[in-house]
Amino acid sequence: AAGVIQSPRHLIKEKRETATLKCYPIPRHDTVYWYQQGPGQDPQFLISFYEKMQSDKGSIPDRFSAQQFSDYHSELNMSSLELGDSALYFCASSLQGTKNYGYTFGSGTRLTVV
Amino acid sequence: KNQVEQSPQSLIILEGKNCTLQCNYTVSPFSNLRWYKQDTGRGPVSLTIMTFSENTKSNGRYTATLDADTKQSSLHITASQLSDSASYICVVSAHGTYKYIFGTGTRLKVLA
Repeated sequence: AAGVIQSPRHLIKEKRETATLKCYPIPRHDTVYWYQQGPGQDPQFLISFYEKMQSDKGSIPDRFSAQQFSDYHSELNMSSLELGDSALYFCASSLQGTKNYGYTFGSGTRLTVV
Repeated sequence: KNQVEQSPQSLIILEGKNCTLQCNYTVSPFSNLRWYKQDTGRGPVSLTIMTFSENTKSNGRYTATLDADTKQSSLHITASQLSDSASYICVVSAHGTYKYIFGTGTRLKVLA
């Protein structure tokens, strides 16, 4: 079965550079969530999109922005990268209104800022 | 304030033994509760999803319970295996929102 696909798997950037992470949800899923997990920490909710509109916003820095496109894939844009942005970035997708609230995580993108 | 707390923070058991992880929440109005297993550096993998009306749900050697009155859930692992070593995260969602409140996680280590 198709899963949530994230790319790239690994990314190394220098301070003050920009990075773009991509998330391809499970087909027909209409909601995408982004999470950041720092070393040894629990995932922190960043932002979510439902039907291409931002539905909720968590602890996402102003330097970050995200959007969901017409094909429901989402991109997380990160600018002026800082060392503290080094983390695992997870994307999850779900289909709102389903009985089982299917909610599946991608395998994550590991961002290292040097 | 919506919160999810898990205990213990960490746990070490011998292979073949059983263990129980706890999750207490104050999320309201409650929608559903999930248990995830997360290997280090990997995305969380769903073990069980429970709604208000469900008391027990099993997935192989994993059995989750939910007491909506006391707002407590537990995850029981039977006959532990070395591959069970991971973090176990309880996630609760509030009805009518798209936000998921993550628990603090329990780090389980299974020793041979």
